[in-house]
Amino acid sequence: DQQVKQNSPSLSVQEGRISILNCDYTNSMFDYFLWYKKYPAEGPTFLISISSIKDKNEDGRFTVFLNKSAKHLSLHIVPSQPGDSAVYFCAARRLYAGGTSYGKLTFGQGTILTVHP
Amino acid sequence: DTEVTQTPKHLVMGMTNKKSLKCEQHMGHRAMYWYKQKAKKPPELMFVYSYEKLSINESVPSRFSPECPNSSLLNLHLHALQPEDSALYLCASSPGQGVGNSPLHFGNGTRLTVT
Repeated sequence: DQQVKQNSPSLSVQEGRISILNCDYTNSMFDYFLWYKKYPAEGPTFLISISSIKDKNEDGRFTVFLNKSAKHLSLHIVPSQPGDSAVYFCAARRLYAGGTSYGKLTFGQGTILTVHP
Repeated sequence: DTEVTQTPKHLVMGMTNKKSLKCEQHMGHRAMYWYKQKAKKPPELMFVYSYEKLSINESVPSRFSPECPNSSLLNLHLHALQPEDSALYLCASSPGQGVGNSPLHFGNGTRLTVT
């Protein structure tokens, strides 16, 4: 049962344009969502996150949007740069009884972003 | 540079070998994690340590044995592995285990090949 889904395995964008990466989830108990970027031979690097009480969070060129009713989040990168080419993972954290998540993140399958000069 | 350091970067071991993966962080984080990532798959949680005690074991086979000697160090002892255990093993840390909104910080991983 894949609770976090990234339906686009890859995305190709021209430098300077907007990159939009999408993520859908099924578990309504998820309360915190994160985006990670991963280069080959490196670990995932944290990019940006959003709490379920918000619908938007912005950090420089990166903006994450959350639509709770649709159980959908997206990452916008504007403007896109060749150095942004990497695999992007969406991740979600679920709250359990007592208000703890036990630190467990559920990851999507990843989207390979290629930004062409 | 990542603030979570993992050694070795690469490891090749036979099925009868015993080896250990090491992870270190000096961010004062009290939760540490082992994740496993197979090619073209997302990371999957294996173990969580909170305040140096094992908090979560995601039904990992006993040939993987975690150890947390202190709040900065996390080891993963490997014994009698199978070729299908070949993967990227990622260590991560966070300020606490699942309390508050803090991301996990990952190391660069150990690429393990079991022959």
